[in-house]
Amino acid sequence: AQSVTQLGSHVSVSEGALVLLRCNYSSSVPPYLFWYVQYPNQGLQLLLKYTSAATLVKGINGFEAEFKKSETSFHLTKPSAHMSDAAEYFCAVSDKNTDKLIFGTGTRLQVFP
Amino acid sequence: EPEVTQTPSHQVTQMGQEVILRCVPISNHLYFYWYRQILGQKVEFLVSFYNNEISEKSEIFDDQFSVERPDGSNFTLKIRSTKLEDSAMYFCASNWRGQGNTGELFFGEGSRLTVL
Repeated sequence: AQSVTQLGSHVSVSEGALVLLRCNYSSSVPPYLFWYVQYPNQGLQLLLKYTSAATLVKGINGFEAEFKKSETSFHLTKPSAHMSDAAEYFCAVSDKNTDKLIFGTGTRLQVFP
Repeated sequence: EPEVTQTPSHQVTQMGQEVILRCVPISNHLYFYWYRQILGQKVEFLVSFYNNEISEKSEIFDDQFSVERPDGSNFTLKIRSTKLEDSAMYFCASNWRGQGNTGELFFGEGSRLTVL
């Protein structure tokens, strides 16, 4: 069965600092991997996705993630945090054999001035 | 840009009442989903639907829940007799899974259900 684990339910960084949100996946077949962002009282917005092309994936708002098969990881990074990045971030996994996304428990990012 | 739309955005109901949440998926999509997010918790899969039948459902999707595609555009989630623990944000999503499919689901803005 597929699953994702997000280490750290809360991450706090200063404005301008590096953002690193961790995601590890478990899948018996090559996965599709996604990061979604959820701002307060809003829906889910796709940040980026990995679909077996380039292992380094660039998304919106300056975020990127690197697929590392050897580590079964898909960590999300951004070189310089902005106040507007404060939100909940969800990692999710699916594959070609299933038609659903499995979400992680989420990481709440706080950005301090 | 095509989008998934959901109504209502917020519904308050009394425990034991029936609720229907409505979704209009993207027009050329064939696969439809409902997810649930209890306040402050993870997004949980409820059910997937294809070709007018349920293709998969989770343990959460018990006999109180049903889904329907009553016409060519709407996709509904019905909760027959709501319980307090049904209070959550419900997200509809769709996918076409055709050539070039990347597994991405397109989500609506959600319907917040509050059961009193």
